[in-house]
Amino acid sequence: GQQLNQNPQSMFIQEGEDVSMNCTSSSIFNTWLWYKQDPGEGPVLLIALYKAGELTSNGRLTAQFGITRKDSFLNISASIPSDVGIYFCAGETYSGGGADGLTFGKGTHLIIQP
Amino acid sequence: DAGVIQSPRHEVTEMGQEVTLRCKPISGHNSLFWYRQTMMRGLELLIYFNNNVPIDDSGMPEDRFSAKMPNASFSTLKIQPSEPRDSAVYFCASSFSFGIVGGYTFGSGTRLTVV
Repeated sequence: GQQLNQNPQSMFIQEGEDVSMNCTSSSIFNTWLWYKQDPGEGPVLLIALYKAGELTSNGRLTAQFGITRKDSFLNISASIPSDVGIYFCAGETYSGGGADGLTFGKGTHLIIQP
Repeated sequence: DAGVIQSPRHEVTEMGQEVTLRCKPISGHNSLFWYRQTMMRGLELLIYFNNNVPIDDSGMPEDRFSAKMPNASFSTLKIQPSEPRDSAVYFCASSFSFGIVGGYTFGSGTRLTVV
């Protein structure tokens, strides 16, 4: 099946630093999504990307959908303590009947030291 | 909007018992997904429904797992009989149509422990 390779697996950074993580796949996706998961909760959507090459920002977050539709990156600028959590990339494909569900990367654990 | 509601939040059961997880999707969403999350395998899609109809259950690990969606506002995931390796966090998510509008919304999950 489809697989997403997400890097890095974990990051230990100082508060105020910028963060960058990425995902690659051997498969093409129609939509690329970035989620954040806090302990004891489900993933929450951060950014959705629908067009190849699309660059989208949401506050301090910036994400881009690769031209080949096989990769994406997420950047977080000026990290703050509440950015701690697990970040997941996810790809979506569509069939004739609708969405086929999301394929998730294994996640990037972000730990911020004050 | 209350979001996607899952129950129970935590379930501890003995091996061999039947377990039923419940999900209420967001009103108006017509796609529903069941995911399982473990440390080793991450988030895995088990089954999904479009307009209450099961579309793809290829992610369901074994015949011990079954899911139903009797109406647009309710779905269940059943494990019978349960085994210790079924211990995981099970998430339900819903979306509208092709998921383009706002993406998928996840519930808070059910943490299942089978002893």
